[in-house]
Amino acid sequence: QSLLTQPPSASGTPGQRVSISCSGSSNIGNVNFNWYQQLPGTAPRLLIYNNYERPAGVPDRFSGSRSGTSASLAITGLQSDDEGDYYCAAWVGVVTSRVFGGGTKLTVL
Amino acid sequence: EVRLVESGGTLVQPGGSLRLSCAASGFTFASYSLNWVRQAPGKGLEWLAYIGRGGSPIFYGDAVKGRFTISRDDAKSSLYLQMDSLRDEDTGVYYCTRDSGTTGADDYWGQGTLVTVSS
Repeated sequence: QSLLTQPPSASGTPGQRVSISCSGSSNIGNVNFNWYQQLPGTAPRLLIYNNYERPAGVPDRFSGSRSGTSASLAITGLQSDDEGDYYCAAWVGVVTSRVFGGGTKLTVL
Repeated sequence: EVRLVESGGTLVQPGGSLRLSCAASGFTFASYSLNWVRQAPGKGLEWLAYIGRGGSPIFYGDAVKGRFTISRDDAKSSLYLQMDSLRDEDTGVYYCTRDSGTTGADDYWGQGTLVTVSS
């Protein structure tokens, strides 16, 4: 069982708001979550760090939140260019390991 | 401009060895921790290894512990991954990443290098 669980897919229409969850197992302890976006054929890029912080250049349409051992990524004003894979990640001290969620494929209908 | 450029990926037989390199530029290399992350074809991201500033600490993922070795040469602004006892399941794109130091976030990624393990 993965330490971080994401839904395999999510979808929305242009302009909509979508949310992607990342559920941590009960034994991961107190972690901070990061989110990555991987557009088709490209390397991943950092989207959200430290649960809700945005790196320079990331639009404020993207936001993150954390509640206990889970986190969420919200995308507002959905655009066709947002179509791709989204991964949550965390450094899990109890296993001394970086852990990625399985990824969520976002489809813009 | 921060750049990370991986190289060394190729076709290798099961049981073989390979050394990947990552050349960095545009930042003070010695001041950052670094990681290797891979992605099997059509699959998700998998963290492999971490190396801190000055070469320690070092951590490995369970899938590669005992087979892969991460190292760095700050004088050459380069990161390496020595891969031994390669298996079919090691096939994938290998990325080097810069660790921002903030909650282990990878703030920069290379374009990746493809490793194919097959007979």
